[in-house]
Amino acid sequence: DVKVTQSSRYLVKRTGEKVFLECVQDMDHENMFWYRQDPGLGLRLIYFSYDVKMKEKGDIPEGYSVSREKKERFSLILESASTNQTSMYLCASSLGGGPNTGELFFGEGSRLTVL
Amino acid sequence: TQLLEQSPQFLSIQEGENLTVYCNSSSVFSSLQWYRQEPGEGPVLLVTVVTGGEVKKLKRLTFQFGDARKDSSLHITAAQPGDTGLYLCALWAAGNKLTFGGGTRVLVKP
Repeated sequence: DVKVTQSSRYLVKRTGEKVFLECVQDMDHENMFWYRQDPGLGLRLIYFSYDVKMKEKGDIPEGYSVSREKKERFSLILESASTNQTSMYLCASSLGGGPNTGELFFGEGSRLTVL
Repeated sequence: TQLLEQSPQFLSIQEGENLTVYCNSSSVFSSLQWYRQEPGEGPVLLVTVVTGGEVKKLKRLTFQFGDARKDSSLHITAAQPGDTGLYLCALWAAGNKLTFGGGTRVLVKP
């Protein structure tokens, strides 16, 4: 059974803290993605990676960075958390290939609250 | 403005009723996906539509891709409480990015 696992379901952090969100997939997928989900806005792409050590900016990368040292692991980093980064964060993976291909497999999400 | 607009944003119906949700874009797209997200879970792919005018059925769910490839709809017949969730349309945009609409939250009351 395919699986994308996010390390924390719920986190509460303070403004200015550094936050790490970890994601692991066991499907040997090339592509991995980080989205944030806010009511009425759907899912917005933060960063994605199509290979180890490769990363591409999504639509809202400001305030975030990512790391992909191993194929199965994709980390999202908030260098200095702010209250407007309070959100649900969703990690996903997909098989390699060009645009217009493939299904995304999502983790269960990490709900981050920044106080 | 979003690349994909979904309507309505929220729909509440009684069990057994029918419902339709819509996904529209000002641009032509080559394919479109529909996902459903249940509370506390990540989205799960329901279907991919590729050909203009295409209709796909998944049990009580019917998906249609507009002839002009700028719109899509999802129709649920005789909705059940298990159909409750957030329905999201998505398309692969330039740069290998899957872009989502804002979603339609569906509540089916028993």
